[in-house]
Amino acid sequence: QVQLVQSGAEVKKPGASVKVSCKASGYTFTYYYLHWVRQAPGQGLEWMGIINPSDGSTTYAQKFQGRVTMTRDTSTSTVYMELSSLRSEDTAVYYCARGGARDVGVVVAATLFSSWGQGTLVTVSS
Amino acid sequence: QSVLTQPPSVSAAPGQKVTISCSGSSSNIGNNYVSWYQQLPGTAPKLLIYDNNKRPSGIPDRFSGSKSGTSATLGITGLQTGDEADYYCVTWDSSLSAGVFGGGTKLTVL
Repeated sequence: QVQLVQSGAEVKKPGASVKVSCKASGYTFTYYYLHWVRQAPGQGLEWMGIINPSDGSTTYAQKFQGRVTMTRDTSTSTVYMELSSLRSEDTAVYYCARGGARDVGVVVAATLFSSWGQGTLVTVSS
Repeated sequence: QSVLTQPPSVSAAPGQKVTISCSGSSSNIGNNYVSWYQQLPGTAPKLLIYDNNKRPSGIPDRFSGSKSGTSATLGITGLQTGDEADYYCVTWDSSLSAGVFGGGTKLTVL
């Protein structure tokens, strides 16, 4: 079965960076896009970006451009999301989620979040 | 302020039916697929509906989705107390070149 297992909780100081990992199993890693989504305490879901594990291409939400970097390691079926210049407003649970198949293109693939990781709490506090 | 507009809350009695709307524009819902997610307290979201109206295996037919123009709707029949959760719609916005979520709707089963 599809599984996405994320790294553990992090506590960071303002201005620092955080790198969250998401290890995929149960399917062909390079065949499906992967999203990153975050949820601040008591708030709704916010889309951060998407990566094509096959070629590493990415699309980021404008809000995070310049601060977020999504990468992948095909040898370990793992995607990473690094967020820099952290501020208190970045305190949130960060989720990875499997998108659609690479064959359908990013627009269609990005409308599907078929399986989710367990979430990683990132706390930004001085 | 979300690009997609959902009612903050809806409520209905057990056994009844409820609908949750998701309103957008031609740059998002009007020209792209919509999917819906259920988020129980303290858990990750779960896929309920994709490609506007398709249910993944394991999702009961009490859940349905539809789309008309620039709006989408999630329907839930035979409400159960276990359906109390937050519900989110999501689609792609071609103007923003980004995924966009609705603000979420809290369902209360009275």
